[in-house]
This record gives sequence, C-alpha cells and structure tokens, in this order.
Amino acid sequence: DQQVKQNSPSLSVQEGRISILNCDYTNSMFDYFLWYKKYPAEGPTFLISISSIKDKNEDGRFTVFLNKSAKHLSLHIVPSQPGDSAVYFCAAIGGSGNTGKLIFGQGTTLQVKP
Amino acid sequence: KAGVTQTPRYLIKTRGQQVTLSCSPISGHRSVSWYQQTPGQGLQFLFEYFSETQRNKGNFPGRFSGRQFSNSRSEMNVSTLELGDSALYLCASSLVGSADTQYFGPGTRLTVL
Repeated sequence: DQQVKQNSPSLSVQEGRISILNCDYTNSMFDYFLWYKKYPAEGPTFLISISSIKDKNEDGRFTVFLNKSAKHLSLHIVPSQPGDSAVYFCAAIGGSGNTGKLIFGQGTTLQVKP
Repeated sequence: KAGVTQTPRYLIKTRGQQVTLSCSPISGHRSVSWYQQTPGQGLQFLFEYFSETQRNKGNFPGRFSGRQFSNSRSEMNVSTLELGDSALYLCASSLVGSADTQYFGPGTRLTVL
C-alpha cells in the first residue's frame, strides 16, 4: 500500500523554466512533509519541508505547496538549473507510532536541459 | 562536522549468506534509521533506533534486523540473503528522530548473486 505516490517517474525541463514535481498521499494523519534530492552515488539530502498547518513554504528557488483537502503537495523550482538534475523524493511523517519513520514516494527524476 | 558514514560502500554476496552493514551517525545524533532503495519502490523504511532501542519498524521480514550501540553507531543484518535483497541500503541520522531533518549516508550497494 503506497501511502505516498509520485506518479511521474521523470520530468524534463529547459534551463530557466519552472519545474513542478508532484506528490500525492493517502494518509490523513500525515502532518509533516519533506522533499529530498538525490544525486547518483550519494545519499538523499534534505531540500525543503512543510508543516500541515501551512499551505506554502519558500526557500530561495524552491517552493513547496500543500493542498490538504486534495492530499497533494508540489515542489516548484524556478528558475531551473542544470545542477538541479537529480532524483527528487517526497516524504511524509506523522500519526502515532511514526516517530522517525519517513514514508517516501518512488521518486521523480528531473532533467534540466541547458 | 563529519557526515553520516556507511561501510562497506559495495558488497557482493550469494544467496543464503548473511551480511552486516554499518552506519556511523553524525556526532550527537541519537536516532538512526535504515531504508532500502530499489528501482520503482523508492525508499522503504526498515527500522529506527534511538538510544539503543528499536523505536519503529517497517514491513520487512524477520531476516532483517539491526541494533544500535551506546555510541549511536548502528548495524543492520540480513540473514539468508535472497536475490530480491539486492538494493541500496541507506542509513540516516537525526538528533531525536520524528520530524527532525534526517541526514543520509551514501549508502551500501548490496548485490546478491
């Protein structure tokens, strides 16, 4: 049962344009959401997070939007740069018994073309 | 500050063998979590240790086990290896777990032949 889903395995955008990565979740108990970026041969690195009490969080070129009613979050990267090419994972946490347990999506491979 | 380190980085085993992977967390971090990454499945949570106690467990068979030492270093063991256990095993450390930012190591690539 995939509680966090990233339905697009890959995304290709042109440098300078906006990249939008999407993520859906099914568990209404999730109350904290995170995005991680992963380069080949490296572990994932934390990118940005959002609490369920907010609907938007911004950090430089990265903005995460949360739509709780739709159980949907998205990561916007603008402008996209070639160095952003990586696999992006969304993750969720929350609910009783979930301490330390991040539930990850399958990942979306972003390619930013120069 | 040194990051999370995992040893070995690469490992090749045959079916039926067992394997032990090691993870050294960032200094001061008391929570260590383990994840399995396979193509198409993303990262799947194995277990989390905090202060030498397993605090949370994912949906993996009992062949997967772990432990944490008093210095917060953690080991993961897989017994009776199966071909499907071939994956990248990642460990992550954080101060106290929960919604703390988790810092990942580079992973151990396990191949089972």
